[in-house]
Amino acid sequence: QKEVEQDPGPLSVPEGAIVSLNCTYSNSAFQYFMWYRQYSRKGPELLMYTYSSGNKEDGRFTAQVDKSSKYISLFIRDSQPSDSATYLCATYSGGGADGLTFGKGTHLIIQP
Amino acid sequence: DAGVTQSPTHLIKTRGQQVTLRCSPKSGHDTVSWYQQALGQGPQFIFQYYEEEERQRGNFPDRFSGHQFPNYSSELNVNALLLGDSALYLCASSPTDSGANVLTFGAGSRLTVL
Repeated sequence: QKEVEQDPGPLSVPEGAIVSLNCTYSNSAFQYFMWYRQYSRKGPELLMYTYSSGNKEDGRFTAQVDKSSKYISLFIRDSQPSDSATYLCATYSGGGADGLTFGKGTHLIIQP
Repeated sequence: DAGVTQSPTHLIKTRGQQVTLRCSPKSGHDTVSWYQQALGQGPQFIFQYYEEEERQRGNFPDRFSGHQFPNYSSELNVNALLLGDSALYLCASSPTDSGANVLTFGAGSRLTVL
């Protein structure tokens, strides 16, 4: 079992829809949870990070972490064609342990 | 702010050759990490450098080595290249006090091994 599981998609939704992206993880030592966005032929760009369980909102983006079920979510409201990209979830245990552990990424397509 | 810069952007090598990739971290960042991203996969952690020393290492063989210079820039070296080493190699930097390991990535160096 991979440490971070993520459906690779593609996920195609119409412009303006609410998008839900999800990951599950297996290592209960993970404390930090991130979402990166990666456009084609570019490096990943940090969207949001959260520590432990809870919600965090930034504009049209909301990140949720449920440590009891080991479930990570990213919601995008009022989706735009410019949101079309690959979204990578990542986890980190903190305290000088290994680097980030990434999921495979979900390819998101917003149809105009 | 130029962010994280990597060179070269693309390169092609043959099996058995050696390659060196270079990275300049974002201004104000002193920690550099390297990741390998195969096609259709998420990035995988190779190693991290801080104060010119390898501080952490992922599950990669000794063919993968690195270096960090006093100006915080870094190199990734891969010896005895295999076809499976074909990937996007990402450099990421962070400040010392990034307890959450919040990384800024470069655009990557795409390596093709024939």
